[in-house]
Amino acid sequence: DTEVTQTPKHLVMGMTNKKSLKCEQHMGHRAMYWYKQKAKKPPELMFVYSYEKLSINESVPSRFSPECPNSSLLNLHLHALQPEDSALYLCASSPGHGSGQAAYGYTFGSGTRLTVV
Amino acid sequence: AQRVTQPEKLLSVFKGAPVELKCNYSYSGSPELFWYVQYSRQRLQLLLRHISRESIKGFTADLNKGETSFHLKKPFAQEEDSAMYYCALTSIGNKLVFGAGTILRVKS
Repeated sequence: DTEVTQTPKHLVMGMTNKKSLKCEQHMGHRAMYWYKQKAKKPPELMFVYSYEKLSINESVPSRFSPECPNSSLLNLHLHALQPEDSALYLCASSPGHGSGQAAYGYTFGSGTRLTVV
Repeated sequence: AQRVTQPEKLLSVFKGAPVELKCNYSYSGSPELFWYVQYSRQRLQLLLRHISRESIKGFTADLNKGETSFHLKKPFAQEEDSAMYYCALTSIGNKLVFGAGTILRVKS
């Protein structure tokens, strides 16, 4: 299995809802990432997990809460989002997140298209 | 600061013409550079890594440290090459940082 799988593919939620995005990989990768991508813009890094521990939070608002239950799964919990949070949320993984691992590049999922109404 | 610059938002060429997508970077260390491609309605895919010096789908990219460039080239464009192309580098903390992207349109 050489893919990163994200569910759901589409999500519409109200500003008072709580929802979760899920990401799964079975490549044995030890680093996982959440990116946000607006239309016709590059992906922007949100969070990095390395060996199931949060290592980077790019000053993301607390209404986004990441969780890494195990080495294969990554969740993004959403609560009280704003309409401007509507975007494509991408999950990615890489073999590791330390020196020497960077050269492999990341494998991306197909994303969850989130609409906040 | 680490930065990737793709100066062209849109590059339009005819089928069979050569293609060069420009990428310049600023990074104080030794960067790892990549090209990613996003076809319409498909996921972001890794196209090339500078470290592997490979040719994928006819595309090549050479790292020029003197000019801090990593331009993507293909001698003969095909219609199926039409997509968004992102140049990216891994920066301090091994974060993958993307350029703004260039839309390649190959016309028949």
